[in-house]
Amino acid sequence: GQNIDQPTEMTATEGAIVQINCTYQTSGFNGLFWYQQHAGEAPTFLSYNVLDGLEEKGRFSSFLSRSKGYSYLLLKELQMKDSASYLCAVRDGSNYQLIWGAGTKLIIKP
Amino acid sequence: DARVTQTPRHKVTEMGQEVTMRCQPILGHNTVFWYRQTMMQGLELLAYFRNRAPLDDSGMPKDRFSAEMPDATLATLKIQPSEPRDSAVYFCASGFYGAYPGEQFFGPGTRLTVL
Repeated sequence: GQNIDQPTEMTATEGAIVQINCTYQTSGFNGLFWYQQHAGEAPTFLSYNVLDGLEEKGRFSSFLSRSKGYSYLLLKELQMKDSASYLCAVRDGSNYQLIWGAGTKLIIKP
Repeated sequence: DARVTQTPRHKVTEMGQEVTMRCQPILGHNTVFWYRQTMMQGLELLAYFRNRAPLDDSGMPKDRFSAEMPDATLATLKIQPSEPRDSAVYFCASGFYGAYPGEQFFGPGTRLTVL
């Protein structure tokens, strides 16, 4: 079956670093996406990994290991505005659809 | 600044009424998705169109939901009759199949409450 697992909730301190993990089991793989969703708003695209390794984008980095079915999103120098849900999604094969995780709610404390 | 637009943003209706939600995808995008999001279920794919043709609507309750793309600038999602369990946020997203990385761009959503 298709399955994506993420922690439900995490708490971190302003200025610190946090790592949000995502594990997946899908019948095919054609890329992994991370989206950010603030409360009451729409998801917005953060990052994409299709090859193993680390992709860095400013304070955010995303890592992928296809052999382990594992990804993480690393957020550095946390700011209060980073309080949001972070959604992991896998594109299964070439049909362009995404399989979504339930999201990780990140709470930033001063 | 190209964006996906959705109307209405909020809708409160009574059980049994018809609800129509509209979406204008980003100009030039060839794929459109309808999602439903609830606290309990997260993001669920309801329907998916490519070049206006429906490719997958297996996630949609067929007896009451219907999705169409009358033209490239308009996608609609209808619920008839609506039920309280349909209360959720409905998102439309668009993208370009074949582009890299091919991310989906989400509209602001329609928050539906069925009493």
